[in-house]
Amino acid sequence: SSELTQDPAVSVALGQTVRITCQGDSLRSYYVSWYQQRPGQAPVLVLYGYNKRPSGIPDRFSGSTSGTTGSLTITGAQAEDEADYYCHSRDSSGNRVFGGGTKLTVL
Amino acid sequence: QVQLQESGPGLVKPSETLSLICTVSGDSISRDYYYWGWIRQSPGKGLEWMGTVYKSGSPTYNPSLKSRVTISVDTSKNHFSLNLTSVTAADTAVYYCARFCSTSTCYEAFDFWGQGTMVTVSS
Repeated sequence: SSELTQDPAVSVALGQTVRITCQGDSLRSYYVSWYQQRPGQAPVLVLYGYNKRPSGIPDRFSGSTSGTTGSLTITGAQAEDEADYYCHSRDSSGNRVFGGGTKLTVL
Repeated sequence: QVQLQESGPGLVKPSETLSLICTVSGDSISRDYYYWGWIRQSPGKGLEWMGTVYKSGSPTYNPSLKSRVTISVDTSKNHFSLNLTSVTAADTAVYYCARFCSTSTCYEAFDFWGQGTMVTVSS
């Protein structure tokens, strides 16, 4: 089992705002990064560090961490944002770990 | 542009050793502050970190796999490899290699990934 907990599924209406969360005690101490995985494709880094986006990632993606909860927010969700989203950080022992993933549906 | 490419057998027999290589282009595997890792994804499941290695060696492994996994780096060939021993059907998965960035500007993140390779464990 993962020490990073994500909701299995979230839905959002086209153009609306959605927040995907990742909960873990280790997030008090370690950075969280977020990955988007579309069906049949490799994961892609979308957020890292203190709300930083790699080149090419739209600015509708933003991130934050408060206490033990990391969040990925999509402001104005688009159809192409429908995907699985995974958080990543360290566990309580310092080992790398991924959250269980959240399937985002854009209605 | 950094590119990673996994290669290796797509079918492995139970109890045998799964061996994959990740060839890196567009970057040097010897670069400071960058690590190289393996992540796998069983069919219909989430991502599982398997382990990470630095240019000098000194790998770190997922405790759940530690007794069976070895990750090593070959700087002369600019590639790194994965060996997983005593495989079972539960090791059937897509295996990804990825670059892990640990600098003061990218913090800690897997910033480049290979396309993944499907490995099936079956007799």
